[in-house]
Amino acid sequence: KNEVEQSPQNLTAQEGEFITINCSYSVGISALHWLQQHPGGGIVSLFMLSSGKKKHGRLIATINIQEKHSSLHITASHPRDSAVYICAVLMDSNYQLIWGAGTKLIIKP
Amino acid sequence: GAGVSQSPRYKVAKRGQDVALRCDPISGHVSLFWYQQALGQGPEFLTYFQNEAQLDKSGLPSDRFFAERPEGSVSTLKIQRTQQEDSAVYLCASSTTDRGRRRGDTQYFGPGTRLTVL
Repeated sequence: KNEVEQSPQNLTAQEGEFITINCSYSVGISALHWLQQHPGGGIVSLFMLSSGKKKHGRLIATINIQEKHSSLHITASHPRDSAVYICAVLMDSNYQLIWGAGTKLIIKP
Repeated sequence: GAGVSQSPRYKVAKRGQDVALRCDPISGHVSLFWYQQALGQGPEFLTYFQNEAQLDKSGLPSDRFFAERPEGSVSTLKIQRTQQEDSAVYLCASSTTDRGRRRGDTQYFGPGTRLTVL
């Protein structure tokens, strides 16, 4: 069993839809990152969370430490949001990031 | 520039050739990480430096992989006698986290070097 699991693996939606990507983890963590990777592009850090909720523009990230679960939401999705979204956790015991496999999001116009 | 830079962006090597990949972290960042991302997969941790000290190299897949950061800034990942399975994107990231702080800090990623071994 992977220590970090994301769902769904692939998601295709129409422009304007509300998007939710989920991340569950099984290890003790000190922080959780949501990152975005465009095809052929680098990885961009969207959020780092250790509790609660963060919002940036149309992106919202939440984390429930007790349930070991985090969600990334995109409101009013747009084709430029199409990318791979990756959840990564910073283990409580060391500085290593454990990565999820990513969610490939395609937003159709 | 203000971000993490890597060079070259693309490298094609013949099997058996040695390659060197460079990472310039954000100035002043203490921590530097190397990751390997195979096609269609998430990044895998390779190694971690705090300043010039390589504190963790547990992710290096074989003794053909060697990383250094001699002056605590620029880092080089060297792969000797490259094999086809080494083909991947190699990502470098830096952060301000130092040993005293256990809380996670944002890692800033470079654009990666895409290595293709023929």
